[in-house]
This record gives sequence, structure tokens and C-alpha cells, in this order.
Amino acid sequence: GNSVTQMEGPVTLSEEAFLTINCTYTATGYPSLFWYVQYPGEGLQLLLKATKADDKGSNKGFEATYRKETTSFHLEKGSVQVSDSAVYFCALSAWGYQKVTFGTGTKLQVIP
Amino acid sequence: DTEVTQTPKHLVMGMTNKKSLKCEQHMGHRAMYWYKQKAKKPPELMFVYSYEKLSINESVPSRFSPECPNSSLLNLHLHALQPEDSALYLCASSHPPDRGYSNQPQHFGDGTRLSIL
Repeated sequence: GNSVTQMEGPVTLSEEAFLTINCTYTATGYPSLFWYVQYPGEGLQLLLKATKADDKGSNKGFEATYRKETTSFHLEKGSVQVSDSAVYFCALSAWGYQKVTFGTGTKLQVIP
Repeated sequence: DTEVTQTPKHLVMGMTNKKSLKCEQHMGHRAMYWYKQKAKKPPELMFVYSYEKLSINESVPSRFSPECPNSSLLNLHLHALQPEDSALYLCASSHPPDRGYSNQPQHFGDGTRLSIL
């Protein structure tokens, strides 16, 4: 079956530090890959997506590249802000299927 | 601001009450979803509607009853819930993965935080 593995949190960084949250996946075929962010007390927001190998998704300074050879979709940001503090979920959707497989989530805390 | 609107934001109910959660989207999506999310966990899929028909039921207890009156609305009727049903209930919508669409992302509402006394 499909699965998503994320690095364990929480991750605590100082403001302006570099962020990497690792995500690897197992899936048949060519899934679409997503990063969602959940701020306290809110629902999930789509942060970025990639639908095929070597695609790079980007939004709000965050980036992730669909690496089929390593089955990875790591999230990066060059300089985090306190407002980036949230839980980040890596997810995949297999072609033709409506179910989304989520990772366990990684909590990010950015301190001033 | 989210484009999927859920009401109410908070709901407290007793185990014998009947209540409903509502979800509305105006994104032209023809697939709608209900998820349950417990604290510090990812969302768990409950139901999927495609073109207003129930397409997936993840073996959810019958005390949860979904309804899709039209392409923009999704309801979740609640009856005789248990304390372990306390959670954040999320609605989402997307284009269905057919008829020319590749797998499109789901768009979530802010959820209803449900507490069962």
C-alpha cells in the first residue's frame, strides 16, 4: 500500500535559520505529492504540490522537489520566521484515487 | 480565508443529542470529503462523495450519517455519539480524479471542534 514517512518533530529553530523537513514515500505508479500546513486552531492549507518527477513546488519561500529516484519530497525554506510555526504534513495521492495518504506531521516551532 | 466554509466552529453536545455539521464550497469541485482529526495526528478519512454520490465509507459507525444535498453542500449528521468521538472534523473538496483531471489537491475548511460530554 501507499505510505508517507516524515521526520519526527518537534523541530525548533531560531528565526532566519534554514529549514529542512524530510519526507519519503512508498507508492505504486506516479503519485502526486503535497505539503500541507496546519496553523493552531485551523484546518489544513495546501502549501505546495508536485505532480511528476523533477517538478519543484514552491510557495511563500518554501520549496520541495519531487525526486522519484530517492522517493523523496523534502520541504525546505531558506529563512524561517516566527509566523511559520505550525504543523507540516507531507501527503500523496495515487493516480486515479481519491484517498490521500498523510504523513504523521512535523511540528515546527520558530523562536525569535 | 478558506474557500471551504464549515459551521459551526465549535460544538458541545451530550451523548443523546442530535446535531449536524455543515460544509459549503463554491470552487466548482465535485468531490467532497469528511475527515476526523485527533490531537497531534493526521486527518483520518471518513467519507467521500463524488458527483453527489457516496463513493467511499471508511467503515464509519452509523452514528455518523453523511449527506450531500447538492454539489456545493455537505452535511454530517451526528446522533448518540461517544466521548471518543470528540475531535476536529474537517471538510475538504477537490476535483474528482477523473474526466481529464490529474490528482488535484484537496482544499480544507477550518473544521468544527466537537466535544462530547
